[in-house]
Formats: sequence, C-alpha cells, structure tokens
Amino acid sequence: AQSVTQPDIHITVSEGASLELRCNYSYGATPYLFWYVQSPGQGLQLLLKYFSGDTLVQGIKGFEAEFKRSQSSFNLRKPSVHWSDAAEYFCAVATLSGGYNKLIFGAGTRLAVHP
Amino acid sequence: DAGVTQSPTHLIKTRGQQVTLRCSPKSGHDTVSWYQQALGQGPQFIFQYYEEEERQRGNFPDRFSGHQFPNYSSELNVNALLLGDSALYLCASSSLGDYNEQFFGPGTRLTVL
Repeated sequence: AQSVTQPDIHITVSEGASLELRCNYSYGATPYLFWYVQSPGQGLQLLLKYFSGDTLVQGIKGFEAEFKRSQSSFNLRKPSVHWSDAAEYFCAVATLSGGYNKLIFGAGTRLAVHP
Repeated sequence: DAGVTQSPTHLIKTRGQQVTLRCSPKSGHDTVSWYQQALGQGPQFIFQYYEEEERQRGNFPDRFSGHQFPNYSSELNVNALLLGDSALYLCASSSLGDYNEQFFGPGTRLTVL
C-alpha cells in the first residue's frame, strides 16, 4: 500500500540556520511527489513537486527538494530559514487510478523558528 | 481569480446531526476532491468528483457523501455526526489529467459536540 512517512513531528531551528525536513514514501510505481505548507488556520500551499527529470527540484520561498529513488526519500531543504517559515509541512505522494489522482499525505512536521 | 473557496469557515454541530459543506473550485478546474484533516494529522482523502460523479473514494463510511453540480462546485454531506468527525475539511480542485496540481481551499473547521 502507498504511504508517506515524515519521521520528525517537531523541528526547531534558529533563524538563518539551514533546514532539512525528511520524507520517505512507499509506492510501487514511479512516484509523483509534493511538499505542501500549511500556516495556522490556513489551507495547503504547494511548495514544489517532482514528476520526472532532474532529481533536484526548486520551489517557492527558496525551498528545494531532492528525490532519491534508492532511499525512497524526498527531503525538503532550505539554506537559510526565516521566521515566516514557521508552519506545518506535509509531504505527499500522488496515486493514479483510471486517470484520477489522489494525494496521500504524511502526518506532517511542525517547524518552529527561534529568533 | 478567487481560487478555491469553501463555506462555511467554521461550524459547530452536535452528535447525530447532519452537516453540508460547500466548495467552489478554482476557475478552469473540473475536478473536486475532499480531504479530512484531524487535529495533528495529515489530510486523508475522502472522495473525488468529476462530471458530477464520484470517481474515487477513500476509506470513509457511507455517512460521508457528496455531490458535484454542473458548474463544478461540490458539496460534502456527513450524516449521523460522531465526535470523531471533528476536523478540518479541505476541498481541492484540479483539471482532469495525470497528476495535475491540486489547489486547496482554506477549509471548513467542523466541531462536533
């Protein structure tokens, strides 16, 4: 069965420090992977996505992610965190059935940023 | 472009009642998906509508039902509410096609007392 695991429930970093959020997936076919961010009381905003091609993908707000098939991972990184990056981050894999896709999400990682 | 809109923003119901949540998709989108996000968890797929028919369904009981209208807007209905139905309900819209990006609305916060 398809699944997404985000091993870290909470992460705290200092402003200006680098960040890496981990994501591992289980999916039998070629995975289509996403990272979403959710601020308190808000819906989900897409940060970046991987469909194929270059395994290092760039997203909005200075985020990037690297797809590693051998490790079934799609970790999210940012070189220098800003206080406004404090939010919850969700990794997701898209599954396709008869032309219709749905997203399977991980449990999320809550990011706190110290000034 | 207003993006995906949902109503109401918040809702409080008691056990056993019924509730209807509404979603208007982003302009140009024809597919609507619904997700349930319990507190502290990731969103879970409920079902997806295209051309006014349910095309996919997640592991949710029949108490959860939906509808899509000719203008692509959608409703989520939940009957016989349980305390465990308390959650943020997210609507996402997309264009039919492989892995087209799903755009999410702000959600409806349902509290069941």
